[in-house]
Amino acid sequence: AQSVTQPDIHITVSEGASLELRCNYSYGATPYLFWYVQSPGQGLQLLLKYFSGDTLVQGIKGFEAEFKRSQSSFNLRKPSVHWSDAAEYFCALTGGYQKVTFGTGTKLQVIP
Amino acid sequence: GAVVSQHPSWVICKSGTSVKIECRSLDFQATTMFWYRQFPKKSLMLMATSNEGSKATYEQGVEKDKFLINHASLTLSTLTVTSAHPEDSSFYICSARDSTGQDKYGYTFGSGTRLTVV
Repeated sequence: AQSVTQPDIHITVSEGASLELRCNYSYGATPYLFWYVQSPGQGLQLLLKYFSGDTLVQGIKGFEAEFKRSQSSFNLRKPSVHWSDAAEYFCALTGGYQKVTFGTGTKLQVIP
Repeated sequence: GAVVSQHPSWVICKSGTSVKIECRSLDFQATTMFWYRQFPKKSLMLMATSNEGSKATYEQGVEKDKFLINHASLTLSTLTVTSAHPEDSSFYICSARDSTGQDKYGYTFGSGTRLTVV
């Protein structure tokens, strides 16, 4: 069975500070990993994805994520957070032509 | 890039009525679409996998007679909530996979539908 764990339900950072959102996964093979962002009442927007190759993945809006097989992690990072980054972030996993399993999400609050 | 349109964005209906939600892939063909439900303050749970021209595959615990899914074309899947009850109130999101393009693993999501049953 595949699963995704986002240990932080809620994170607060100051505008301009760096950000790291944690994501751990469980899957029997090499997973395909995603990070999505959801603003209140909105759908999901894909930030970045990892399929293979370089383990450091660049995404939109200045986000990046690093796949670490040894730690079963795919943490999302941003060097300097903007107020507009406040939203809920979901880490997700799929084994390919299969359903996507989501983590429970991390709500990001940005304070001035 | 791939775009998925979901309609309506929000709907309020009376208890006992049925509501249809559409999910369209605008610039690609999607042989497979997925329907998710998001409960308040919770993650997205897969309800069913919709395959063009065949019956949908429902996840365990999802009532197939209540949540009717039709995928009649390569660009359209519909979810009909039948005999809606207040407990069906939720945020429903679809996603589609561009099975013929380069981004065949890039699941694109619609903007979601907020259903409120009163």
